[in-house]
Amino acid sequence: SSELTQDPAVSVALGQTVRITCQGDSLRSYYASWYQQRPGQAPVLVISGKNNRPSGIPDRFSGSRSGNTASLTITGAQAEDEADYYCNSRDSSVNHWVFGGGTKLTVL
Amino acid sequence: QVHLVQSGSELKKPGASVKVSCKASGYTFTTYAMNWARQAPGQGLEWMGWINTNTGNPTYAQGFTGRFVFSLDTSVSTAYLQINSLKAEDTAVYYCAREANSGYDQYYFDYWGQGTLVTVSS
Repeated sequence: SSELTQDPAVSVALGQTVRITCQGDSLRSYYASWYQQRPGQAPVLVISGKNNRPSGIPDRFSGSRSGNTASLTITGAQAEDEADYYCNSRDSSVNHWVFGGGTKLTVL
Repeated sequence: QVHLVQSGSELKKPGASVKVSCKASGYTFTTYAMNWARQAPGQGLEWMGWINTNTGNPTYAQGFTGRFVFSLDTSVSTAYLQINSLKAEDTAVYYCAREANSGYDQYYFDYWGQGTLVTVSS
């Protein structure tokens, strides 16, 4: 089965831009989706597909893909964006899913 | 509006069984597949598998075959996760998540349950 690789931790200064990446073979066939998880809470979808934000997600969140790498960009990071971020996608070979290991975002 | 409401926390002894429920509302239950994910303490999300809510056919991820059972009761729009022969390492928060898509290559989990903590301890 496929794997998705994320950097374990990333930091960004308040108001600056940060990019969180997710790498894996399945991303050549399927777009990644991205989830924000704050401590003690369930994950929340922030980006799906090519670059779609669910209602209520600020427009500072955006997504992109290049080859086997998906990226989540936060433009003008806010203190409330400090959380764990997970990517996932369908597995390109079987009818399964895979999650990345997660990235802990710290806003300084 | 769409809601997935899971059953409450459980404390079980090793060897026992537990059944977690995920009640859906706000949409036609059989239109969307339901996925299950596990999150052990301090760890990341792990995909466990999914169930076709139209046919009831389950698919299990590697590592979740044998003791884990997905089932449905479509009359009450509820999906279930049963774990048999519980072990200490099954201690985790279990989530249900609705699967949606907006194209042949764009799939995602758009709604999640609040999570159910299952603690296995003697």
